[in-house]
Amino acid sequence: DTAVSQTPKYLVTQMGNDKSIKCEQNLGHDTMYWYKQDSKKFLKIMFSYNNKELIINETVPNRFSPKSPDKAHLNLHINSLELGDSAVYFCASSLSYEQYFGPGTRLTVT
Amino acid sequence: RKEVEQDPGPFNVPEGATVAFNCTYSNSASQSFFWYRQDCRKEPKLLMSVYSSGNEDGRFTAQLNRASQYISLLIRDSKLSDSATYLCASLFSGGYNKLIFGAGTRLAVHP
Repeated sequence: DTAVSQTPKYLVTQMGNDKSIKCEQNLGHDTMYWYKQDSKKFLKIMFSYNNKELIINETVPNRFSPKSPDKAHLNLHINSLELGDSAVYFCASSLSYEQYFGPGTRLTVT
Repeated sequence: RKEVEQDPGPFNVPEGATVAFNCTYSNSASQSFFWYRQDCRKEPKLLMSVYSSGNEDGRFTAQLNRASQYISLLIRDSKLSDSATYLCASLFSGGYNKLIFGAGTRLAVHP
């Protein structure tokens, strides 16, 4: 069974659209994260939730809004998509320091 | 200066070779470090955690040098399947389990 799963795996959309990515983990972890990996392969944290509470909010445009309905789920909604949002978005979870990543969502904005 | 820096490579080595990568970090207060392996178009997978001076797991050895602020990863007896990008990460000392990643080092093992 996949420990950290994300949907969809691929997302192709046009500029200006709104889209959501979903993440679920069945590891019983308390903390979940969203990372963005750009075309230069640089992996950067965006948000983190601990037990449904937002604890990390990096300098991310407010078009990005995370939501955690419970500690096993973390979603990411993106409004008014721009070309520069094209990247791979990874969800991760952790119980302590070690973080485990989902398979990623490859977002392409055209 | 980036918080975590790695030589992007690529390191091209023959099977059976020993190869080492270094990763430097700028925040002297960082306590915990991690090596992840990332295959092309896949997610990063945790390879090793480094909380004290070092860690060893089979062919892989990670060492931490706090005085010089770097972490190394040594791979012995390289296999073709070791070909991947190796990401170094430092745990942000301000709390909240924020990992700061380097840009990765590419390893290509050839027959």
